[in-house]
Amino acid sequence: DAEITQSPRHKITETGRQVTLACHQTWNHNNMFWYRQDLGHGLRLIHYSYGVQDTNKGEVSDGYSVSRSNTEDLPLTLESAASSQTSVYFCASSDLTDTQYFGPGTRLTVL
Amino acid sequence: AQTVTQSQPEMSVQEAETVTLSCTYDTSENNYYLFWYKQPPSRQMILVIRQEAYKQQNATENRFSVNFQKAAKSFSLKISDSQLGDTAMYFCAFTLGATNKLIFGTGTLLAVQP
Repeated sequence: DAEITQSPRHKITETGRQVTLACHQTWNHNNMFWYRQDLGHGLRLIHYSYGVQDTNKGEVSDGYSVSRSNTEDLPLTLESAASSQTSVYFCASSDLTDTQYFGPGTRLTVL
Repeated sequence: AQTVTQSQPEMSVQEAETVTLSCTYDTSENNYYLFWYKQPPSRQMILVIRQEAYKQQNATENRFSVNFQKAAKSFSLKISDSQLGDTAMYFCAFTLGATNKLIFGTGTLLAVQP
């Protein structure tokens, strides 16, 4: 069955380190998204991509970057992790009906 | 500004009863899609129901149905015959048809009591 996976599921890192969160989907969807979830804010869009070599900034993109070298993967990189980036991160991809399907999430703690 | 408001941070319902979760949104666009997602304690985001804004007929999915009032920009979710497994955080969201970006509300935590 097609699916969307994220790794790692949990990550603890230190302030200033570079961190990369992986997202892999086998739906063959062109559109992929990264969100962060924080109490009181729901989910907020970080970056998104409409296809290979395409990336766009979302609502809360500062301190994050993405790259899209193939259809299946959209890794999210925190260039220099900050305590404010402690959060739960969700990756999603969408089909032609605009419905987004989410991965299981990654809980990131920055100490 | 594109926003979603869920005015009920928490709700509680007895098993087998019916509950309605409220959602209002704001957009100047005419072409968009509305969603309710469920997030149980496992943290997985699960699609509950989807509504196209150009359709007047309210979407239904088994025990879940919506009351979509486009002029009022209201999109409430009704859960009938509530089950313990319905206990979760429920998020209302909409996506603009051209951009496919989801805009979420802050969620309503629903507890189904035995």
